[in-house]
Amino acid sequence: EAQVTQNPRYLITVTGKKLTVTCSQNMNHEYMSWYRQDPGLGLRQIYYSMNVEVTDKGDVPEGYKVSRKEKRNFPLILESPSPNQTSLYFCASSLSPENANTGELFFGEGSRLTVL
Amino acid sequence: AQSVSQHNHHVILSEAASLELGCNYSYGGTVNLFWYVQYPGQHLQLLLKYFSGDPLVKGIKGFEAEFIKSKFSFNLRKPSVQWSDTAEYFCAVNPGFQKLVFGTGTRLLVSP
Repeated sequence: EAQVTQNPRYLITVTGKKLTVTCSQNMNHEYMSWYRQDPGLGLRQIYYSMNVEVTDKGDVPEGYKVSRKEKRNFPLILESPSPNQTSLYFCASSLSPENANTGELFFGEGSRLTVL
Repeated sequence: AQSVSQHNHHVILSEAASLELGCNYSYGGTVNLFWYVQYPGQHLQLLLKYFSGDPLVKGIKGFEAEFIKSKFSFNLRKPSVQWSDTAEYFCAVNPGFQKLVFGTGTRLLVSP
């Protein structure tokens, strides 16, 4: 089954404790992206990747890192989480950057992160 | 600033009522337009999209949207909603650059 898998789905952590949210897709997609969803703000793009070893900042990259060492994986790293990073995070993938432009994104089920 | 606006944050309707959700964007030039839906506890799914051509586009589950270029609008409509349409709806714009800009979302509650 074609899917985008995120882990963990739920996490409560404390300020400053490094964490990684993993994202994996099994569709051989080139393009992957991370969004955060906050009430009243919708979804905002954090980082995106157009292919292996190619990543770029989205609209709200501060406090986050990503890597794309393999095509299927695009982990989101919070080196020193803060309470303002409490949010619902979505990973998305698309066959290619061009397909991303046409809205053909596959979303994961989301990871709800709480930073105390 | 360039943005996507959804003016209705919460909408409550009875079953069989008609639905119209507003979406306005402020990007100039050619854009691709989308509506996504997020059912409770699920991930976002593409409902419909507009690139060019007929400004009235039809999507899944009886939804349609109309692109009005002069108004920078892309409103979502459904003639008769069902309880199963309860969800959050997001308008999105692709101004290029492998990027989707989402609106703030509209929570629709349909009462049986």
